[in-house]
Amino acid sequence: GAVVSQHPSRVICKSGTSVKIECRSLDFQATTMFWYRQFPKQSLMLMATSNEGSKATYEQGVEKDKFLINHASLTLSTLTVTSAHPEDSSFYICSGEQANYEKLFFGSGTQLSVL
Amino acid sequence: SQQGEEDPQALSIQEGENATMNCSYKTSINNLQWYRQNSGRGLVHLILIRSNEREKHSGRLRVTLDTSKKSSSLLITASRAADTASYFCATDGYGGATNKLIFGTGTLLAVQP
Repeated sequence: GAVVSQHPSRVICKSGTSVKIECRSLDFQATTMFWYRQFPKQSLMLMATSNEGSKATYEQGVEKDKFLINHASLTLSTLTVTSAHPEDSSFYICSGEQANYEKLFFGSGTQLSVL
Repeated sequence: SQQGEEDPQALSIQEGENATMNCSYKTSINNLQWYRQNSGRGLVHLILIRSNEREKHSGRLRVTLDTSKKSSSLLITASRAADTASYFCATDGYGGATNKLIFGTGTLLAVQP
């Protein structure tokens, strides 16, 4: 089946640094990539939707200058958390949409801890 | 918030018993999906039921959908310890963008061996 590879799985960084998270679709072309964040014991909240070659669409309340999303190709989307602060500590998950498929393919997630 | 509600929030059962989780949502939908998440991991798609379907089976999973009540249930029969995970329902409630999903609050299932 289709696989989305997400890296890194875990990152610890100092406050003020930037962190990049990558999601690659390994055996399909992800026309759309969705980015979610999840706080402990809570559900997934959609942050943004990215389409290959165009600007991402952010959900209300999500700062686009803080969470930079790039979807440069049909197999790669990145999320960069800029100037990370402790409140950005969370579990970030990407999911790729393959054309004409009704379900999404999720990455394994990235646990970000900002000290 | 458009987020769906799931109940119970947590469920603990013995191996071999059945587990039932319920999901309620707020908007009209094209389909409803159930996902499973092991602790600290990504999500695994379990089953999708379309708005014109009322019941669907997949192995030990049985899903029902009642669009008049905006609710769905997931039944796992003959549970196993390996079924321990969080289970989320998800709907495509963002006005027709099928895969722009709204997730429910989740049910944490613990199956005791």
